[in-house]
Amino acid sequence: DTGVSQDPRHKITKRGQNVTFRCDPISEHNRLYWYRQTLGQGPEFLTYFQNEAQLEKSRLLSDRFSAERPKGSFSTLEIQRTEQGDSAMYLCASSAGNTGELFFGEGSRLTVL
Amino acid sequence: GQQLNQSPQSMFIQEGEDVSMNCTSSSIFNTWLWYKQDPGEGPVLLIALYKAGELTSNGRLTAQFGITRKDSFLNISASIPSDVGIYFCAGLLPYYGGSQGNLIFGKGTKLSVKP
Repeated sequence: DTGVSQDPRHKITKRGQNVTFRCDPISEHNRLYWYRQTLGQGPEFLTYFQNEAQLEKSRLLSDRFSAERPKGSFSTLEIQRTEQGDSAMYLCASSAGNTGELFFGEGSRLTVL
Repeated sequence: GQQLNQSPQSMFIQEGEDVSMNCTSSSIFNTWLWYKQDPGEGPVLLIALYKAGELTSNGRLTAQFGITRKDSFLNISASIPSDVGIYFCAGLLPYYGGSQGNLIFGKGTKLSVKP
């Protein structure tokens, strides 16, 4: 399968714990995006990378959130000291350029108890 | 911030009927896109529109990029049960200075099809 893959698909954690999500994009895509989606809403932009450079971050990305793409391939999104409001689907997507044609993974669903 | 107003919020239709949904914004977008999301999955791209006035088809789907660059619509003809899902419009912001542009999504139209 050469699509975008995300791991884990589901994560249940207690408030205050740290969690990390991983995304493996389509290999020839240089752009990688993280979005967050809550029930009844569309995906909300968090951040994106072009190769290994993090070029833009949303105001939604508080200082408890950090994303990396160390070698320009896979990316990780870490949430420190999770809060119940962090419960959401975290979607990763990749693209070959700035066309808006994003290929999404299946998402990582986070539940914070 | 920029917002996309997508309507209707939900639709219940009979199999075989045509469907129309639209998206408006107070901001200008360079590109309009339509995505479909099935439960538990990520959105999948259906149609991308790059020029104002552009009308594009993909099978039973037809979408148009409004001439003002502030709106778009999606039509589905002769709906079938597998059309069920949530349809999102998305607009790509123009490049401004330090912003490379990112995709803004509407809140979605939930489509239900009765066989």
